[in-house]
Amino acid sequence: QKEVEQDPGPLSVPEGAIVSLNCTYSNSAFQYFMWYRQYSRKGPELLMYTYSSGNKEDGRFTAQVDKSSKYISLFIRDSQPSDSATYLCAANAGNMLTFGGGTRLMVKP
Amino acid sequence: NAGVTQTPKFRILKIGQSMTLQCTQDMNHNYMYWYRQDPGMGLKLIYYSVGAGITDKGEVPNGYNVSRSTTEDFPLRLELAAPSQTSVYFCASSRLYGQQETQYFGPGTRLLVL
Repeated sequence: QKEVEQDPGPLSVPEGAIVSLNCTYSNSAFQYFMWYRQYSRKGPELLMYTYSSGNKEDGRFTAQVDKSSKYISLFIRDSQPSDSATYLCAANAGNMLTFGGGTRLMVKP
Repeated sequence: NAGVTQTPKFRILKIGQSMTLQCTQDMNHNYMYWYRQDPGMGLKLIYYSVGAGITDKGEVPNGYNVSRSTTEDFPLRLELAAPSQTSVYFCASSRLYGQQETQYFGPGTRLLVL
């Protein structure tokens, strides 16, 4: 079993839709949770990070962690075609980041 | 400010050949990392370095070697390339090694071993 699991998609939505991207994890020691965005043929870039359970908002993006169910979510409001990318969740316990496999999102105009 | 740069962008190797993937960062970061990314498998850490002269193994180090003689450069060496090493390789760097510290990634090197 992978420590961090994501549905690979692709997830296709119309422009303006609210997008929900999700991860589950199995390691209870994870404390920091991150979302990276990766455009095609580019390196990942950090979008947001959260510590422990709770919500964090940054513009159109909201990251949510529920440690009781080991569930991580990223919500994108008013999605734009420029949001089309692969979204990777990651979790950290100690010295290494553990990445999920990524979910490919396509926002259609 | 170039950030993290990697060369080459793409390379085809024959089984048994060797090569070095180059990584340079100009942000004066102490910490540098090498990952490989296989389709649907996320990023897996190969090696990392906490400063010049200090390196350590990550999750999947077999078949690779690294060195860190300067703060800026962190080359990854493949000896005796195998088809299982076909992947996209990303180098990253960070200022600190805190759990929430941002890692900055390079554009990647696509490697095909035939």
